[in-house]
Amino acid sequence: AQSVTQPDIHITVSEGASLELRCNYSYGATPYLFWYVQSPGQGLQLLLKYFSGDTLVQGIKGFEAEFKRSQSSFNLRKPSVHWSDAAEYFCAVATSGTYKYIFGTGTRLKVLA
Amino acid sequence: GAVVSQHPSWVICKSGTSVKIECRSLDFQATTMFWYRQFPKQSLMLMATSNEGSKATYEQGVEKDKFLINHASLTLSTLTVTSAHPEDSSFYICSVMGEHSSYNSPLHFGNGTRLTVT
Repeated sequence: AQSVTQPDIHITVSEGASLELRCNYSYGATPYLFWYVQSPGQGLQLLLKYFSGDTLVQGIKGFEAEFKRSQSSFNLRKPSVHWSDAAEYFCAVATSGTYKYIFGTGTRLKVLA
Repeated sequence: GAVVSQHPSWVICKSGTSVKIECRSLDFQATTMFWYRQFPKQSLMLMATSNEGSKATYEQGVEKDKFLINHASLTLSTLTVTSAHPEDSSFYICSVMGEHSSYNSPLHFGNGTRLTVT
């Protein structure tokens, strides 16, 4: 069965510092991978997605993620974090050919001024 | 701009009453919508897949008589929590397929509805 693991429940970084949020998935074939961000009391906004092709994908708000098949990972990165990036981040995997998304448990990002 | 509109954004109801949550696709027709539930500080769990013109498909463990889904048109799906109880208090989020209705189009999510049952 497919699964998504986000090992870090909470992460705190200083504004301007770099960020990496980890995501590991379990799926036999090539998955569809996503990162979403959720602000308190809000829905989810898509940051970026990977379906195929270039393993380094660029997203909105300066985020990028790299798909590493050998490590079953899809880590999210940002070179310089802004205070407005404080939110909850969810990694998700979808079985190719379906819309059933499986979400990780999320990583709550706190940004120190 | 917003692709999915969800209403209401929050609702408080008394135990035993029913609550209806609406999910509208604003930019395109959506033959399929999805309802998720999110417990505090937890991830999203898919509850059901709402299909226009047919019955919803519920995930294992979700009571279909408790959570009634009606996909009346290509732009509207509703979730009714019947005979609500405090344990139904949660954050409910709907989502729709991308406009191309293909598996390469990621889901767009509504802003969610915070339900509190007293």
